[in-house]
Amino acid sequence: GAVVSQHPSWVICKSGTSVKIECRSLDFQATTMFWYRQFPKQSLMLMATSNEGSKATYEQGVEKDKFLINHASLTLSTLTVTSAHPEDSSFYICSARDSGRGNYEQYFGPGTRLTVT
Amino acid sequence: DAKTTQPNSMESNEEEPVHLPCNHSTISGTDYIHWYRQLPSQGPEYVIHGLTSNVNNRMASLAIAEDRKSSTLILHRATLRDAAVYYCILRDVGGSNYKLTFGKGTLLTVNP
Repeated sequence: GAVVSQHPSWVICKSGTSVKIECRSLDFQATTMFWYRQFPKQSLMLMATSNEGSKATYEQGVEKDKFLINHASLTLSTLTVTSAHPEDSSFYICSARDSGRGNYEQYFGPGTRLTVT
Repeated sequence: DAKTTQPNSMESNEEEPVHLPCNHSTISGTDYIHWYRQLPSQGPEYVIHGLTSNVNNRMASLAIAEDRKSSTLILHRATLRDAAVYYCILRDVGGSNYKLTFGKGTLLTVNP
């Protein structure tokens, strides 16, 4: 149990286009999901906290108009990178907290590798 | 969240025990100690967590110092599949903020 999926697993897009990444909790409900970004050889950096039915909370320095987050249901959050540029190329990872369990674990997706050409 | 300090890298031989240290001298009374690991090109996965007492699960053991200023993740018999970056993270479960703050972690290399 407690599986989180991401789609797509990798994507290549042209500079100036937008890309949507989906994060789904497959077998549990998640009122809270998190989006991270990871550059090569670096640690995960939290971008935003996604709350079902309300606006996302962005970390300092993350442009909310560039990284649009929608958490429309208890099992789906989406991250849209708008007007992507080569510097947005990164590994994007989501995680979800199981609302029905204790707050001990977060379950992570397998990540989405974005390359902007 | 309070800060943790881990060695940048460690090396082990297959089928030998591995002790991964973590210092957290500014830990507060409501901070749980969490360990996650990240295999190459994958999302992190939960390993273990604890508050004060030592903990065991099928993946590892967590030994917590009596003053809670440090802890050690123990892999009893390392395998090649345990090669990963291991993150020690403190999280205050007393509040409503569930986010995790990842440090640089320890890169574990397992030699055959």
